[in-house]
Amino acid sequence: GENVEQHPSTLSVQEGDSAVIKCTYSDSASNYFPWYKQELGKGPQLIIDIRSNVGEKKDQRIAVTLNKTAKHFSLHITETQPEDSAVYFCAASGGGNQFYFGTGTSLTVIP
Amino acid sequence: DVKVTQSSRYLVKRTGEKVFLECVQDMDHENMFWYRQDPGLGLRLIYFSYDVKMKEKGDIPEGYSVSREKKERFSLILESASTNQTSMYLCASSRVAGGGNTIYFGEGSWLTVV
Repeated sequence: GENVEQHPSTLSVQEGDSAVIKCTYSDSASNYFPWYKQELGKGPQLIIDIRSNVGEKKDQRIAVTLNKTAKHFSLHITETQPEDSAVYFCAASGGGNQFYFGTGTSLTVIP
Repeated sequence: DVKVTQSSRYLVKRTGEKVFLECVQDMDHENMFWYRQDPGLGLRLIYFSYDVKMKEKGDIPEGYSVSREKKERFSLILESASTNQTSMYLCASSRVAGGGNTIYFGEGSWLTVV
Protein backbone atom coordinates (compact mmCIF):
# COMPACT_ATOMS: atom_id res chain seq x y z
CA GLY A 1 0.00 0.00 0.00
CA GLU A 2 0.86 3.67 0.01
CA ASN A 3 3.38 5.07 2.47
CA VAL A 4 3.54 8.81 3.15
CA GLU A 5 6.48 10.29 5.02
CA GLN A 6 6.45 13.85 6.34
CA HIS A 7 9.32 16.07 7.51
CA PRO A 8 10.08 17.80 9.74
CA SER A 9 8.04 16.69 12.72
CA THR A 10 8.48 20.07 14.42
CA LEU A 11 9.27 23.44 12.92
CA SER A 12 9.78 26.84 14.55
CA VAL A 13 10.01 30.02 12.51
CA GLN A 14 10.06 33.71 13.27
CA GLU A 15 6.97 35.67 12.36
CA GLY A 16 7.25 36.87 8.79
CA ASP A 17 9.59 34.09 7.70
CA SER A 18 8.62 31.24 5.39
CA ALA A 19 7.88 27.66 6.42
CA VAL A 20 8.28 24.59 4.24
CA ILE A 21 6.96 21.11 5.02
CA LYS A 22 7.86 18.18 2.79
CA CYS A 23 6.17 14.86 2.10
CA THR A 24 7.10 11.86 0.03
CA TYR A 25 4.87 9.05 -1.17
CA SER A 26 5.54 5.61 -2.55
CA ASP A 27 2.61 4.65 -4.78
CA SER A 28 2.81 6.09 -8.28
CA ALA A 29 -0.97 5.58 -8.60
CA SER A 30 -1.62 8.35 -6.05
CA ASN A 31 -3.03 11.36 -7.84
CA TYR A 32 -4.51 13.66 -5.21
CA PHE A 33 -2.59 15.39 -2.44
CA PRO A 34 -4.44 17.46 0.17
CA TRP A 35 -2.95 19.37 3.09
CA TYR A 36 -4.71 19.82 6.41
CA LYS A 37 -4.26 22.22 9.30
CA GLN A 38 -5.23 21.07 12.76
CA GLU A 39 -5.54 23.59 15.55
CA LEU A 40 -5.44 22.54 19.16
CA GLY A 41 -8.55 20.62 20.19
CA LYS A 42 -10.07 20.66 16.70
CA GLY A 43 -10.34 18.36 13.72
CA PRO A 44 -8.10 18.73 10.65
CA GLN A 45 -9.28 21.32 8.14
CA LEU A 46 -8.39 21.24 4.45
CA ILE A 47 -6.24 24.23 3.52
CA ILE A 48 -5.05 23.41 0.02
CA ASP A 49 -4.86 20.47 -2.34
CA ILE A 50 -3.20 19.56 -5.61
CA ARG A 51 -3.94 17.03 -8.29
CA SER A 52 -1.36 15.08 -10.25
CA ASN A 53 -1.87 16.99 -13.47
CA VAL A 54 -0.71 20.21 -11.79
CA GLY A 55 2.80 21.07 -10.62
CA GLU A 56 2.01 23.99 -8.36
CA LYS A 57 -0.98 25.65 -6.75
CA LYS A 58 -1.16 28.84 -4.75
CA ASP A 59 -3.74 30.38 -2.45
CA GLN A 60 -2.66 33.69 -0.93
CA ARG A 61 0.21 32.89 1.46
CA ILE A 62 -0.01 29.14 0.97
CA ALA A 63 1.37 27.16 -1.95
CA VAL A 64 1.84 23.49 -2.71
CA THR A 65 4.26 21.98 -5.20
CA LEU A 66 4.24 18.47 -6.61
CA ASN A 67 7.04 16.52 -8.26
CA LYS A 68 5.52 13.31 -9.58
CA THR A 69 8.80 11.98 -10.89
CA ALA A 70 10.44 12.20 -7.49
CA LYS A 71 7.18 11.39 -5.67
CA HIS A 72 7.29 14.32 -3.33
CA PHE A 73 5.14 17.32 -2.58
CA SER A 74 5.64 20.32 -0.33
CA LEU A 75 3.65 22.95 1.52
CA HIS A 76 5.02 26.49 1.53
CA ILE A 77 3.70 29.17 3.87
CA THR A 78 5.05 32.67 3.31
CA GLU A 79 4.93 35.66 5.66
CA THR A 80 4.03 33.43 8.56
CA GLN A 81 1.79 34.76 11.33
CA PRO A 82 1.19 33.48 14.87
CA GLU A 83 -2.20 32.12 13.81
CA ASP A 84 -0.41 29.78 11.41
CA SER A 85 0.81 27.86 14.46
CA ALA A 86 -0.81 24.42 14.26
CA VAL A 87 -0.16 20.84 13.22
CA TYR A 88 -0.09 20.29 9.46
CA PHE A 89 -0.76 16.95 7.78
CA CYS A 90 -0.13 15.91 4.21
CA ALA A 91 -2.07 13.11 2.57
CA ALA A 92 -2.11 11.08 -0.62
CA SER A 93 -4.99 9.36 -2.35
CA GLY A 94 -5.29 7.33 -5.53
CA GLY A 95 -7.72 4.96 -7.15
CA GLY A 96 -8.93 3.40 -3.92
CA ASN A 97 -11.19 4.71 -1.19
CA GLN A 98 -8.45 5.38 1.28
CA PHE A 99 -6.36 8.37 2.18
CA TYR A 100 -2.84 7.98 3.52
CA PHE A 101 -1.57 10.58 5.95
CA GLY A 102 1.81 11.80 7.03
CA THR A 103 2.57 11.87 10.74
CA GLY A 104 2.18 15.63 10.99
CA THR A 105 4.36 18.70 11.48
CA SER A 106 3.92 20.92 14.51
CA LEU A 107 4.56 24.47 13.33
CA THR A 108 5.26 27.22 15.83
CA VAL A 109 5.44 30.82 14.64
CA ILE A 110 7.34 32.95 17.13
CA PRO A 111 6.10 36.56 17.38
CA ASP B 1 -20.07 23.70 3.43
CA VAL B 2 -19.56 20.07 4.29
CA LYS B 3 -20.33 19.32 7.88
CA VAL B 4 -19.24 16.24 9.77
CA THR B 5 -20.68 16.22 13.27
CA GLN B 6 -19.42 14.11 16.13
CA SER B 7 -22.04 14.23 18.82
CA SER B 8 -19.77 13.61 21.80
CA ARG B 9 -16.70 15.83 22.14
CA TYR B 10 -15.48 14.65 25.52
CA LEU B 11 -16.21 11.33 27.20
CA VAL B 12 -14.91 9.59 30.29
CA LYS B 13 -15.71 5.89 30.51
CA ARG B 14 -14.77 3.07 32.83
CA THR B 15 -12.78 0.02 31.78
CA GLY B 16 -15.10 -2.64 30.41
CA GLU B 17 -17.88 -0.27 29.45
CA LYS B 18 -19.40 -0.35 25.99
CA VAL B 19 -18.83 2.97 24.23
CA PHE B 20 -20.64 4.42 21.22
CA LEU B 21 -19.21 7.28 19.19
CA GLU B 22 -21.66 8.75 16.71
CA CYS B 23 -20.94 10.64 13.53
CA VAL B 24 -23.26 12.30 11.04
CA GLN B 25 -22.41 13.95 7.71
CA ASP B 26 -24.72 16.18 5.70
CA MET B 27 -23.21 15.99 2.21
CA ASP B 28 -24.54 12.64 1.00
CA HIS B 29 -21.01 11.24 0.92
CA GLU B 30 -20.62 7.58 0.13
CA ASN B 31 -17.47 7.04 2.19
CA MET B 32 -17.15 7.43 5.92
CA PHE B 33 -14.12 6.79 8.09
CA TRP B 34 -13.06 6.47 11.71
CA TYR B 35 -9.50 7.41 12.64
CA ARG B 36 -7.65 7.39 15.88
CA GLN B 37 -5.12 10.13 16.57
CA ASP B 38 -2.33 9.76 19.09
CA PRO B 39 0.73 11.99 19.61
CA GLY B 40 3.60 10.99 17.35
CA LEU B 41 1.53 8.37 15.53
CA GLY B 42 -0.50 10.57 13.23
CA LEU B 43 -3.87 9.42 11.96
CA ARG B 44 -4.51 5.70 12.01
CA LEU B 45 -7.50 4.23 10.20
CA ILE B 46 -9.75 2.03 12.32
CA TYR B 47 -12.58 1.26 9.89
CA PHE B 48 -14.17 2.75 6.85
CA SER B 49 -17.45 2.26 5.06
CA TYR B 50 -18.13 2.85 1.37
CA ASP B 51 -21.87 2.21 1.49
CA VAL B 52 -24.71 1.49 3.89
CA LYS B 53 -24.10 -1.73 5.82
CA MET B 54 -20.67 -2.08 4.20
CA LYS B 55 -17.44 -1.84 6.17
CA GLU B 56 -13.78 -2.59 5.77
CA LYS B 57 -11.08 -2.91 8.37
CA GLY B 58 -8.39 -0.32 8.50
CA ASP B 59 -4.98 -0.53 10.12
CA ILE B 60 -6.07 -0.95 13.75
CA PRO B 61 -9.54 -2.55 13.93
CA GLU B 62 -8.90 -4.72 17.00
CA GLY B 63 -11.19 -3.83 19.88
CA TYR B 64 -13.52 -1.80 17.68
CA SER B 65 -16.58 -2.38 15.56
CA VAL B 66 -18.68 -0.09 13.40
CA SER B 67 -22.23 0.30 12.22
CA ARG B 68 -23.63 2.09 9.19
CA GLU B 69 -27.37 1.66 8.99
CA LYS B 70 -28.00 4.95 7.20
CA LYS B 71 -25.86 6.70 4.61
CA GLU B 72 -25.34 9.80 6.73
CA ARG B 73 -24.47 8.06 10.00
CA PHE B 74 -21.42 6.02 10.97
CA SER B 75 -20.95 4.74 14.51
CA LEU B 76 -17.81 3.49 16.18
CA ILE B 77 -18.30 0.96 18.97
CA LEU B 78 -15.84 -0.04 21.65
CA GLU B 79 -17.26 -3.32 22.87
CA SER B 80 -15.29 -3.32 26.13
CA ALA B 81 -13.30 -0.15 26.64
CA SER B 82 -9.72 -0.45 27.82
CA THR B 83 -7.28 2.19 29.03
CA ASN B 84 -5.17 1.83 25.88
CA GLN B 85 -8.14 3.10 23.90
CA THR B 86 -7.84 6.50 25.53
CA SER B 87 -7.37 8.73 22.51
CA MET B 88 -8.87 11.27 20.16
CA TYR B 89 -11.22 9.77 17.60
CA LEU B 90 -11.89 11.49 14.31
CA CYS B 91 -14.76 10.78 11.96
CA ALA B 92 -14.48 11.77 8.31
CA SER B 93 -16.37 11.48 5.04
CA SER B 94 -15.68 11.78 1.32
CA ARG B 95 -17.26 11.12 -2.03
CA VAL B 96 -16.65 7.81 -3.77
CA ALA B 97 -13.10 7.02 -4.88
CA GLY B 98 -11.63 8.19 -8.10
CA GLY B 99 -9.01 10.60 -6.96
CA GLY B 100 -9.52 14.22 -6.17
CA ASN B 101 -12.30 13.68 -3.66
CA THR B 102 -11.46 15.55 -0.50
CA ILE B 103 -11.90 13.97 2.89
CA TYR B 104 -13.62 16.12 5.50
CA PHE B 105 -13.19 15.68 9.23
CA GLY B 106 -15.33 16.22 12.27
CA GLU B 107 -14.10 18.09 15.34
CA GLY B 108 -13.03 14.94 17.13
CA SER B 109 -14.13 13.00 20.19
CA TRP B 110 -11.76 12.87 23.15
CA LEU B 111 -12.21 9.59 24.97
CA THR B 112 -10.65 8.84 28.34
CA VAL B 113 -10.97 5.33 29.72
CA VAL B 114 -10.27 5.03 33.45
